[in-house]
Amino acid sequence: SQQGEEDPQALSIQEGENATMNCSYKTSINNLQWYRQNSGRGLVHLILIRSNEREKHSGRLRVTLDTSKKSSSLLITASRAADTASYFCATASYSTFIFGSGTRLSVKP
Amino acid sequence: SQTIHQWPATLVQPVGSPLSLECTVEGTSNPNLYWYRQAAGRGLQLLFYSIGIDQISSEVPQNLSASRPQDRQFILSSKKLLLSDSGFYLCAWSVRTGARNTIYFGEGSWLTVV
Repeated sequence: SQQGEEDPQALSIQEGENATMNCSYKTSINNLQWYRQNSGRGLVHLILIRSNEREKHSGRLRVTLDTSKKSSSLLITASRAADTASYFCATASYSTFIFGSGTRLSVKP
Repeated sequence: SQTIHQWPATLVQPVGSPLSLECTVEGTSNPNLYWYRQAAGRGLQLLFYSIGIDQISSEVPQNLSASRPQDRQFILSSKKLLLSDSGFYLCAWSVRTGARNTIYFGEGSWLTVV
């Protein structure tokens, strides 16, 4: 079964708006990561948050982690058309990484 | 810097034919290596992972097998492809230890079984 599950499955917004994606997971984790995938390409690492961290920023990205609720959120501020992609959360446990089903973000110019 | 190469990028194979996808990592030693499959518009399914030469774990029973003949080479194979094997296959690597463990992906291989 999938460890991480994102919602919404799809999100369509206008350029300049903020996009928020959520991820839930089931078991204890060492860290949680967010990845981006452009259509037909490999995944690219965006940001990692460790289990003892609650919030992390990187440019226009803000990630939060609530280990009590086993959930994380990714916020993209001031979105751009180039942010159109699928976004996945992944949890690392021992030697493996488990990915959710992703959120397909569409940013309209 | 580390790089990961995966090939071929695209292939169309008839049902019942064999498959071989190759992946190599450069610039690092003793990486963990992974094969994932992604159905169209879906998430990633972990197929195999390897923590060392000839040490391979299978996550899902498949018509597929994996081999790691060298430290930085990971091969995904099938003796006889099924239609259901169609998908996007991604090779990936990570360093072995640490809470900051991050996984890095190749560009993927599109497989269409006809």
